[in-house]
Amino acid sequence: KAGVTQTPRYLIKTRGQQVTLSCSPISGHRSVSWYQQTPGQGLQFLFEYFSETQRNKGNFPGRFSGRQFSNSRSEMNVSTLELGDSALYLCASSLGGSGHEQFFGPGTRLTVL
Amino acid sequence: AQSVTQLDSQVPVFEEAPVELRCNYSSSVSVYLFWYVQYPNQGLQLLLKYLSGSTLVKGINGFEAEFNKSQTSFHLRKPSVHISDTAEYFCAVVVIQGAQKLVFGQGTRLTINP
Repeated sequence: KAGVTQTPRYLIKTRGQQVTLSCSPISGHRSVSWYQQTPGQGLQFLFEYFSETQRNKGNFPGRFSGRQFSNSRSEMNVSTLELGDSALYLCASSLGGSGHEQFFGPGTRLTVL
Repeated sequence: AQSVTQLDSQVPVFEEAPVELRCNYSSSVSVYLFWYVQYPNQGLQLLLKYLSGSTLVKGINGFEAEFNKSQTSFHLRKPSVHISDTAEYFCAVVVIQGAQKLVFGQGTRLTINP
């Protein structure tokens, strides 16, 4: 079974631009979660989608948004990029319950100049 | 709200020595507990998890962890480490019956010296 895939793996943008990151979950997984990883803040939860609905949201500004499609693929969008948005963005998929293992993708490394 | 504290940001050990990575959590509700490992330039991989039952949990690569409810701890141990265990280790909690929101500790960088 193929793992979680994320595209692109690396991205360089400038301040003020917007960016869209993509995540394809493991086949059969209906939950997709997004996390931001930075050296200073560590791993922080962004949001979770389950069956195309946002089920939970972390403490990030409205510039961070996401969506999930009927095939469970998910996209995350960041508008009006700031330098502090430079991070590794990780996507994780699971069957859906809180006790189920979340399988992580390799991440997208976003650099904002 | 839940929180996780990993008491050591870095742990250097010699190859074949035992290691313990410490994790404490706080939560007003019951949680599930996890340990993840992150190798350089990769995503996170689950080492083990505690959902219920036996408080001693065995995971992959020879790791195990013990859930201690009275001390709200979930320390990770390995009796003999290898160079290949060099990585960053994250302890995490998620609320039982809640949505899939993992709350992570700050991570412990394990360095194995030959």
